[in-house]
Amino acid sequence: GQNIDQPTEMTATEGAIVQINCTYQTSGFNGLFWYQQHAGEAPTFLSYNVLDGLEEKGRFSSFLSRSKGYSYLLLKELQMKDSASYLCAVMSGNTPLVFGKGTRLSVIA
Amino acid sequence: DTAVSQTPKYLVTQMGNDKSIKCEQNLGHDTMYWYKQDSKKFLKIMFSYNNKELIINETVPNRFSPKSPDKAHLNLHINSLELGDSAVYFCASSQDRPTSPLHFGNGTRLTVT
Repeated sequence: GQNIDQPTEMTATEGAIVQINCTYQTSGFNGLFWYQQHAGEAPTFLSYNVLDGLEEKGRFSSFLSRSKGYSYLLLKELQMKDSASYLCAVMSGNTPLVFGKGTRLSVIA
Repeated sequence: DTAVSQTPKYLVTQMGNDKSIKCEQNLGHDTMYWYKQDSKKFLKIMFSYNNKELIINETVPNRFSPKSPDKAHLNLHINSLELGDSAVYFCASSQDRPTSPLHFGNGTRLTVT
């Protein structure tokens, strides 16, 4: 099976940088995804990593270390609208994407 | 021009009833999914289906069954509804390759009373 772990809640200040960590254990690793979900809405795709290293996309970056079973999502220049849940999800083989329990991020003024 | 649409958005029903949730995607994707998100916001896979294979999460009760009339639709039928079935159900679709992200519908909030 798969085990995905991420913090339940985080709080950060507007304009700051926040790093949301995700650790996972799986066999047949085939990629790691990050999704954003605002309250009452559907999850939306943020990033995909399958090779080690950092993928940057505007204010958001995602990092992967396959040997450590570790990823993080980095959010820069935080805005109030970034308050949401951030879901780490792992693809193993051809099985459907398995999600972690999500990290609820609160951005405060 | 909604990509993944599901209906209804809200569904309130009594225990023991049978209900269906419809899902359609116009993205030309090969694979469709149903996920359940409980009150703690944990998103859990229920089914995935393409024209070759149905993958069922073994923890899903057999009261739940997916029905796919064609590649663009994957409906969810639920028999003998129970209180514990109350949750938000998300339909999603993707291309049939591991790197393809999921595109989610807006969810159906099911409340069983």
